[in-house]
Amino acid sequence: NAGVTQTPKFRILKIGQSMTLQCAQDMNHNYMYWYRQDPGMGLKLIYYSVGAGITDKGEVPNGYNVSRSTTEDFPLRLELAAPSQTSVYFCASGIGVSYEQYFGPGTRLTVT
Amino acid sequence: GENVEQHPSTLSVQEGDSAVIKCTYSDSASNYFPWYKQELGKRPQLIIDIRSNVGEKKDQRIAVTLNKTAKHFSLHITETQPEDSAVYFCAASIMGNGGSARQLTFGSGTQLTVLP
Repeated sequence: NAGVTQTPKFRILKIGQSMTLQCAQDMNHNYMYWYRQDPGMGLKLIYYSVGAGITDKGEVPNGYNVSRSTTEDFPLRLELAAPSQTSVYFCASGIGVSYEQYFGPGTRLTVT
Repeated sequence: GENVEQHPSTLSVQEGDSAVIKCTYSDSASNYFPWYKQELGKRPQLIIDIRSNVGEKKDQRIAVTLNKTAKHFSLHITETQPEDSAVYFCAASIMGNGGSARQLTFGSGTQLTVLP
């Protein structure tokens, strides 16, 4: 199994540009999450999904959108990128919130 | 919402000594408390977790204790080794509508350095 994969690994965006961060898992997990990690800080939940077609906001959803059309994929969309969105983005998946979350390798995003 | 506070933010210990990291949570309904380790430039990985029906759990050199009354839990690492150097995050589940937990709230992390 590849586990949780994320693309791209690195990206530089100009202010106002948009992009989609891709996340896929091959473990048939229903739960998927998007976190951001600012330098020296903890993980902040952006959005999560408990199954295909079901998404909900986390702690810091502003400036982001998600969709979950399949069990495997959970893309994160950034609209009108701002410098405050410079961060490392982690996708994670699991069988339930009270079980291990498997994290992807992360996407390092810089907005200038 | 749930608030998880983690202390200390940095911790240095001599190799072979023990390390203790503490977290407090605010929601008495939280019932799942994992600990994740993140090495520099890597993804977080679960090292141990505990559920609210258990007071202590051990896995070799790592142990976690939970005090539900005081709403705090701690990570204990004994006989520390240089490869234990990393950032450690605690987390607590928070309950969504309908009484089911749907997400975790993470603490701000502790940078542990094991000095040779």
